[in-house]
Amino acid sequence: NAGVTQTPKFQVLKTGQSMTLQCAQDMNHNSMYWYRQDPGMGLRLIYYSASEGTTDKGEVPNGYNVSRLNKREFSLRLESAAPSQTSVYFCASSPTEGREQYFGPGTRLTVT
Amino acid sequence: GENVEQHPSTLSVQEGDSAVIKCTYSDSASNYFPWYKQELGKRPQLIIDIRSNVGEKKDQRIAVTLNKTAKHFSLHITETQPEDSAVYFCAASQGGTSYGKLTFGQGTILTVHP
Repeated sequence: NAGVTQTPKFQVLKTGQSMTLQCAQDMNHNSMYWYRQDPGMGLRLIYYSASEGTTDKGEVPNGYNVSRLNKREFSLRLESAAPSQTSVYFCASSPTEGREQYFGPGTRLTVT
Repeated sequence: GENVEQHPSTLSVQEGDSAVIKCTYSDSASNYFPWYKQELGKRPQLIIDIRSNVGEKKDQRIAVTLNKTAKHFSLHITETQPEDSAVYFCAASQGGTSYGKLTFGQGTILTVHP
């Protein structure tokens, strides 16, 4: 089992560019999540998907969109990147809502 | 929405001492409280969790206590070792229609000196 995987590991974008962060899990989990981690701010939820076919906003959804492609995959899209989106992005999954979450290795994104 | 406050932001102890990290939450409907450990450059990893129908849970040198009335919960690490040095995050699962969403505390940097 690979667990939760994320691509890419690192990315540098210019302001206004777009990109999609990919996340996949092979644990047959129903729920998936996207977080961003900034120094001194802990982890903040961007979007989550309780089950295939559903998505919901988290604490900081502005500037992002998500797609739950199937049960395994949950992608995060930045349509027009801004320097404020420079962060480390973590994807997580859990068997169902309210259960332990397993994190991917993270994507370090820099927007110049 | 839920708000989680975590203290202290940094904690320095000598090897063998105990370490305690405390968190408070605001939403009385929250019912799931995990703790994560994150080593430098790595992903957060769950180390222990507790649900609101339990007051205390232990796993070897780690324990978590929950006081629902006061809306606070704590992580206790006994006989600390240098490899316990990391950032620790508490979290609370929002209840009601937001069930499953985790709100994290700001993190505690724990340093264990040999």
